[in-house]
Amino acid sequence: KAGVTQTPRYLIKTRGQQVTLSCSPISGHRSVSWYQQTPGQGLQFLFEYFSETQRNKGNFPGRFSGRQFSNSRSEMNVSTLELGDSALYLCASSFRGVTRDTQYFGPGTRLTVL
Amino acid sequence: QKEVEQNSGPLSVPEGAIASLNCTYSDRGSQSFFWYRQYSGKSPELIMSIYSNGDKEDGRFTAQLNKASQYVSLLIRDSQPSDSATYLCAVIPGGADGLTFGKGTHLIIQP
Repeated sequence: KAGVTQTPRYLIKTRGQQVTLSCSPISGHRSVSWYQQTPGQGLQFLFEYFSETQRNKGNFPGRFSGRQFSNSRSEMNVSTLELGDSALYLCASSFRGVTRDTQYFGPGTRLTVL
Repeated sequence: QKEVEQNSGPLSVPEGAIASLNCTYSDRGSQSFFWYRQYSGKSPELIMSIYSNGDKEDGRFTAQLNKASQYVSLLIRDSQPSDSATYLCAVIPGGADGLTFGKGTHLIIQP
């Protein structure tokens, strides 16, 4: 079974721009969660989508948003990029959701904001 | 603020010895606990999950949970150089708001 895939793997943007990241979950998984990982803050939960609905949300500003499509693929958008948004963005999928099932992580998208 | 605390290390252990990794959490309502391993430049992978007090063994790995003390640990027996990685403790706090991760312990197994 194919794992979680994320595209692109690397991105370089400038301050003020916006960016969209994509995640394809493991086949059959309906939950997709997004995390931000930085050296200073570690791994932090952004939000979870399940069956096209945002089910949980972490403590991030409204510049961070997401959506999920009917095929369970998910996108995350960050608007008005700031230097502090430079991070590894990880997507994880599970069958029933982050509080119910094991999550499997994708390889991540490395975002650099200049 | 629901927190998960880990010693950042590095924790250096000789090959063949037992590596002991510790984690404490602040939310008494937490019910689910996980240990992930992350190699440098890679994404986290699940090693163990534990939901009830006591020990859970899987091969060379043993997770221990003490909810009264709000403490989770991971023991790695017969440590191998390939176990060198960052180990992340993760907790699902009371209420469905995702996983809360500790900042990880960097483990080094010395040949």
